[in-house]
This record gives sequence, structure tokens and C-alpha cells, in this order.
Amino acid sequence: NAGVTQTPKFQVLKTGQSMTLQCAQDMNHNSMYWYRQDPGMGLRLIYYSASEGTTDKGEVPNGYNVSRLNKREFSLRLESAAPSQTSVYFCASYRAEYQETQYFGPGTRLLVL
Amino acid sequence: AQRVTQPEKLLSVFKGAPVELKCNYSYSGSPELFWYVQYSRQRLQLLLRHISRESIKGFTADLNKGETSFHLKKPFAQEEDSAMYYCALSLIRLVFGQGTRLTINP
Repeated sequence: NAGVTQTPKFQVLKTGQSMTLQCAQDMNHNSMYWYRQDPGMGLRLIYYSASEGTTDKGEVPNGYNVSRLNKREFSLRLESAAPSQTSVYFCASYRAEYQETQYFGPGTRLLVL
Repeated sequence: AQRVTQPEKLLSVFKGAPVELKCNYSYSGSPELFWYVQYSRQRLQLLLRHISRESIKGFTADLNKGETSFHLKKPFAQEEDSAMYYCALSLIRLVFGQGTRLTINP
């Protein structure tokens, strides 16, 4: 049981390049989330997927797209990376039951030059 | 709007001293609150949740509905407690505070 996994762990991009961050969970959770973590800003929700087949915008969705490929996988795509998207990205999953909580992946460090 | 506020971005105490990390929330319903901890370059992990009234690693947190607070406390800080701490309110999604970086000085 690996929990929540993310790839890659680290990536350097040039402005304007595109890339996809991958996230997978093996806990049979319905809901999945993408956050970015920036100093002094805490964690901000980019997009989430409450269930397979649905996606919704979070606080900071601009410049990102997501795909809920199946119940296990939730990818985040940057179509044209900008330096402002330099951040640490965390994926999380959640089974919306009483007393359950979100489980986080190890994070992806992205540097956009 | 639902919001979580952690007023201290940085908190520094000496080993053995008491620690209190403040968290206030705004939510009209019955809140479900959590504390998460992130050690250096690691993933976030759940520290404790208010519903279970547990003590983890010596930390406790009491929900005060009158003051809309969920402060995290530990009577005697240890060096290994140095980390980033996030308070979170659970709705359909988690709403996080901005985090408090706790440093325990030897």
C-alpha cells in the first residue's frame, strides 16, 4: 500500500514549456486534490476532483488544467509554464467519511526559469 | 466565507518551554478541524483531529467554539518538534491556514 505517489520529484522548466505532474493513490479514495505550497502563503488549492469524472476549480486555478483519468489517477498540467508557477506541488486524496482526513503525496518541486 | 487564520508565521521557543500555536476559524456550522505537520522537506501528515480528542507526540488541541479557536499546545517542547504546522478546516475540501514555522532552540 503505497498511499499517494507523485512523479516527478523535481523538475526544471523554461518559461513557456509544458509538463504534466502525475498523482496516483491506491487507497480507493473518491476525492483527489492538487495544492501548491509557497512560503508565507500556506497551501492553496489549485483544483480538486470530488469523484471520478468530475473536476472543480480551487483558489488558484489559472494556468493549470487537470484530468481525473480514473479513480486512482489525477494529473495536473501546466500548458505554458511561468516563473510564478515555481512552487512545491502536493497531491492529496480523501475518502469523505466521518473522521477521515486527507493523505498527501511527497510533493513535486518545480522550478520555472 | 470559511477561513482559517494562523496569526504567527514564525514561532521560536526554547527546548523544554511550553508551546502554543494559535488557530482561529470562521465557519457557521459544526467545524471539523485538524492539525497537520510538515517536517523539513517531507510530506504533510496528520498530527491530530479535534474529533478524537487525542494527544499525539505530546500535543493537544481543544476546540473552543465560543472563541472559534483550535490552538495547538505542548507543555514541554522538544527539538524534534521543529516543523511547519498547519491548521485546517474540513469542508468538502480542506481549508488551510497559512502555517506557522515552529523552531525549537536548544
